[in-house]
Amino acid sequence: GQQVQQSPASLVLQEGENAELQCNFSTSLNSMQWFYQRPGGSLVSLFYNPSGTKHSGRLTSTTVIKERRSSLHISSSQTTDSGTYLCALERSNTNKVVFGTGTRLQVLP
Amino acid sequence: EAAVTQSPRSKVAVTGGKVTLSCHQTNNHDYMYWYRQDTGHGLRLIHYSYVADSTEKGDIPDGYKASRPSQENFSLILELASLSQTAVYFCASSDFRGAGDTQYFGPGTRLLVL
Repeated sequence: GQQVQQSPASLVLQEGENAELQCNFSTSLNSMQWFYQRPGGSLVSLFYNPSGTKHSGRLTSTTVIKERRSSLHISSSQTTDSGTYLCALERSNTNKVVFGTGTRLQVLP
Repeated sequence: EAAVTQSPRSKVAVTGGKVTLSCHQTNNHDYMYWYRQDTGHGLRLIHYSYVADSTEKGDIPDGYKASRPSQENFSLILELASLSQTAVYFCASSDFRGAGDTQYFGPGTRLLVL
């Protein structure tokens, strides 16, 4: 079955609203990463967050390994935040990363 | 900033033909990866490498070969391209901690097999 589940699958916001994206996983892991995929397809690393909370501008990532979840919070969303957000985990004792299917975010002006 | 480039950026291939996708990184990273992305499947790992002249199978290696002739270059080879291999292919690199380190992605190659 799917080892990494992301929710919601898609989300539409009005500019200025906040968003909470979730990533739940069913396998033990060494680390968690969040990526942003632009509408054109290129991928950008947002956070490498094996545990705890990290901040970057309007973005906050929180990973709680014991609860097998990670979240990405976007505050005061902007139209330029539109795209797909992917979480990925490194499975324990492997060199392999497993990706979720992503949350497609659309921020309307 | 880390730099990963891919060539070609897009390609149309015929069924049964040979396709080679190339990846070059200037990050001095040990690890390199090939992923494919299909709608509804996210990214899936095909092959990876942690040292030149050595490659490892990922989660979906069937139908693909990989080659790492140098630290900077990593190729993905489809010996007999099939319709099911139509996808977007991404190359990535990461430092010595491998998958536990931040991955830097190339821009992707759109492959259409007819």
